[in-house]
Amino acid sequence: EVQLVESGGGLVQPGGSLRLSCAASGFTFSGYDMNWVRQAPGKGLEWVSFISSTGRTTYYTESVKGRFIISRDNAKNSLFLQMNSLRVEDTAVYYCARAYTSNWQPDAFDFWGQGTVVTVSS
Amino acid sequence: DIQLTQSPSFLSASVGESVTITCRASQGINNYLAWYQQKPGKAPKLLVYGASTLQSGVPSRFSGTGSGTEFTLTITSLQPEDFATYFCQQVNSYPPFTFGPGTTVDIK
Repeated sequence: EVQLVESGGGLVQPGGSLRLSCAASGFTFSGYDMNWVRQAPGKGLEWVSFISSTGRTTYYTESVKGRFIISRDNAKNSLFLQMNSLRVEDTAVYYCARAYTSNWQPDAFDFWGQGTVVTVSS
Repeated sequence: DIQLTQSPSFLSASVGESVTITCRASQGINNYLAWYQQKPGKAPKLLVYGASTLQSGVPSRFSGTGSGTEFTLTITSLQPEDFATYFCQQVNSYPPFTFGPGTTVDIK
């Protein structure tokens, strides 16, 4: 059974840092691209960041470029999101999500974790 | 960046009814469109990818159609467990992987 379990969320002051983790199990983690997606309270889904299966390729949404860093440890089946210079508007539930890919093209995000809550407030 | 709009934003329906949600892209995305269902306090669940391919385990009352810029998700014979918010997502041109704003299906 595919499982994704996020951790590391919490309350942090503006300008602070947090490191989110996502522990993967039930599939060959090193074979899949991964993503972080967030959802602010009462709002829709916002894709945050992507990392390829090898970790060589990363993408970010414009609002987090230069502040967030996505990484992975395939030996430990883990995905990370280092969040620096946090802003009030980064407050959200953060989900890790596996990319289902065919023909070298992502088709969808087929499995999601339960999410971890990040609150940025003074 | 590609923008997605969904209509309606909210719809009220009864158990047994059929409903259709539309997702429009600001430019052509071929058939690289996915649909997700999200219930309150839960993670999104993939329903459809490739505009019309049902994810394994998803009931056949869900169906997706479309290509290019206009897509639809239809739920025939709504069941109580189908009352939720539905999001479309384009994966044709990235980054970013854009989501639509969502459509909430509520019980009439």
